[in-house]
Amino acid sequence: AIQLTQSPSSLSASVGDRVTITCRASQGISSALAWYQQKPGKAPKLLIYDASSLESGVPSRFSGSGSGTDFTLTISSLQPEDFATYYCQQFNSYPRLTFGGGTKVEIK
Amino acid sequence: QVQLVESGGGVVQPGGSLRLSCAASGFTFSSYGMHWVRQAPGKGLEWVAFIRYDGSNKYYADSVKGRFTISRDNSKNTLYLQMNSLRAEDTAVYYCAKDRKIGGDQPRLLDYWGQGTLVTVSS
Repeated sequence: AIQLTQSPSSLSASVGDRVTITCRASQGISSALAWYQQKPGKAPKLLIYDASSLESGVPSRFSGSGSGTDFTLTISSLQPEDFATYYCQQFNSYPRLTFGGGTKVEIK
Repeated sequence: QVQLVESGGGVVQPGGSLRLSCAASGFTFSSYGMHWVRQAPGKGLEWVAFIRYDGSNKYYADSVKGRFTISRDNSKNTLYLQMNSLRAEDTAVYYCAKDRKIGGDQPRLLDYWGQGTLVTVSS
């Protein structure tokens, strides 16, 4: 089964900072990767799909890149509402989906 | 607007059974595959199961295969998860989620999620 490793597991940042989160797949998954945002007590929200496509309604400060085994989620200028946990998810190895372990973005 | 509302969670003893429901509205339920995803307290997300839009194909995580059954009733716009032989490690919030692709027959992306229902397996 394909494993996804996110780094870091947590980070502290200030409003306005540029934040980058990495997701590494245990084997190549082409561009079959998505990113989700989850706030405490809430359901996850789809941000990015196909590694770099922005879901409708998601602010343009979020961007994704990568293919194969290495992927990144970038928040160009962190806003107060962006403090949350972020998960990557692969859908290349269907019919079973896998999520990364998550990256918690906290206020510095 | 898309709404997914889970119900049926609660406390159950190890070895027991529980059936979760997810009532869907705001989209053509019968045209989309549906998922169950769970999250143990303080932990990350774990995909549990997927059912094709017409119910003809179902897929499961290895951790629940043979114990859980996903099903749907398109006439009632409702998704189900029958959970048998429950274990302590099944304790989690269970979310239902809609697949993003219309008519898709494989699990891919989860674009709308419910608020979740908590299942606690404890004696």
